Parts: sequence; C-alpha cells; structure tokens
Amino acid sequence: DTAVSQTPKYLVTQMGNDKSIKCEQNLGHDTMYWYKQDSKKFLKIMFSYNNKELIINETVPNRFSPKSPDKAHLNLHINSLELGDSAVYFCASSQFLGERSWTEAFFGQGTRLTVV
Amino acid sequence: AQSVTQLDSHVSVSEGTPVLLRCNYSSSYSPSLFWYVQHPNKGLQLLLKYTSAATLVKGINGFEAEFKKSETSFHLTKPSAHMSDAAEYFCVVSDPVREYGNKLVFGAGTILRVKS
Repeated sequence: DTAVSQTPKYLVTQMGNDKSIKCEQNLGHDTMYWYKQDSKKFLKIMFSYNNKELIINETVPNRFSPKSPDKAHLNLHINSLELGDSAVYFCASSQFLGERSWTEAFFGQGTRLTVV
Repeated sequence: AQSVTQLDSHVSVSEGTPVLLRCNYSSSYSPSLFWYVQHPNKGLQLLLKYTSAATLVKGINGFEAEFKKSETSFHLTKPSAHMSDAAEYFCVVSDPVREYGNKLVFGAGTILRVKS
C-alpha cells in the first residue's frame, strides 16, 4: 500500500502547455510538500501546506499553483510551461507534532517532467 | 536559517569495507536531522533520523549516524558496504520557519560508488 503516491510518473510536454501533477497520501498526515529536484539532483522546497492551508511559498513563479482539496491531497498545476521547468517533482507528507516539530517526511516516487 | 553541507560529492569504496559519508549542519537551535537515500530513478527513502534523543542513531540496512553537537556533524557510517548501497545520499535538516510551517533543507548529496 503506497504511502505517498504521485501521478503521472513521467510527463513530456511542449513549451507553453499547462499540466498538472497529482499527489495523495494515506498516512493521515496534516502537512504536505512539493519539492523540485533539478538536473544536478539538488532538492529544494517549493510549497508546504498544513491542513489545506498554504504555509510556505518559496519564491516560486506564479505559473505554479498548488491546490489542496483536503488534507490527503496536494496537486500542482503549472501554466505556460518553460524549458527550465524540466525537473523531477516530489510530493511529500509529514505530521506536525507541536512546538515546531514534525515527523520525518515520506516522499512519493517523483514525477519526471520534460518540457520540449 | 538551517543548512547542511555534505563534504564529499562522491565517495568510492570496495564491497565489504566501511562507508563514511560526512555532513555538517548549521542550526540556531537543537535540530532534527535526517539521512535519505535515492537509488537511480527512484524516490527518496528515509535511512535514519535524529530528533534529540540518543546521539547515536541506528537506521535501516545497517547504517548509523552520530550527532556531535560540538562538531556540528552528523556523519553516516556503515561497517561493511554492499553493492546494493550504491546510490545518492542526502543529509537533511528540518527548518521550522514559522508556526505550522516546516521545510526540509537538503545537502547537495553524496554519490556512493561500491566497487566489487
């Protein structure tokens, strides 16, 4: 039973298109994230949600719009795709424990986005 | 802000010999630290975590890490490397930037190569 699942696993699309990546977690966590892994394998946070509320937006272009319909889902919509958006996008979840403390994060398998 | 520095971008060992992957952290308070592993074209798997309990942390697959506050280090070790350990390893610190808002800050990664 996959804890954090993302779809699709691979996404190849042309510049200028709009695409979405979906993420679901069945761990009952209240915090979900999107991370971007660039071509050098460097991982950086994009967004963090807690109980469906956007908490962290790490200077990501407005073309990226996350949406959390409920605690278990966090989707990422990208408008007007650019070549530089090519990367692997990881969804993750963790649980807030109080006093600025969280459990470890569980990651999805990633979505490899290629913009041509 | 919290940060981590992985001191080696590549480490090469022979099968059956010890593994040492080095990580230093910077934190203004007691940090939560993690090691994640990423096999080629796979997602991120948690190896182990430190959350201010025992300073020597045991993880999966025979890996351990020791939290040393005086040296601000969290090095990952394994007594005997196996071919299946070949992967990229990330040292990660939790950075609770605001109430309900946490982000994981990743090191640049260390690629572990295991020679037969």
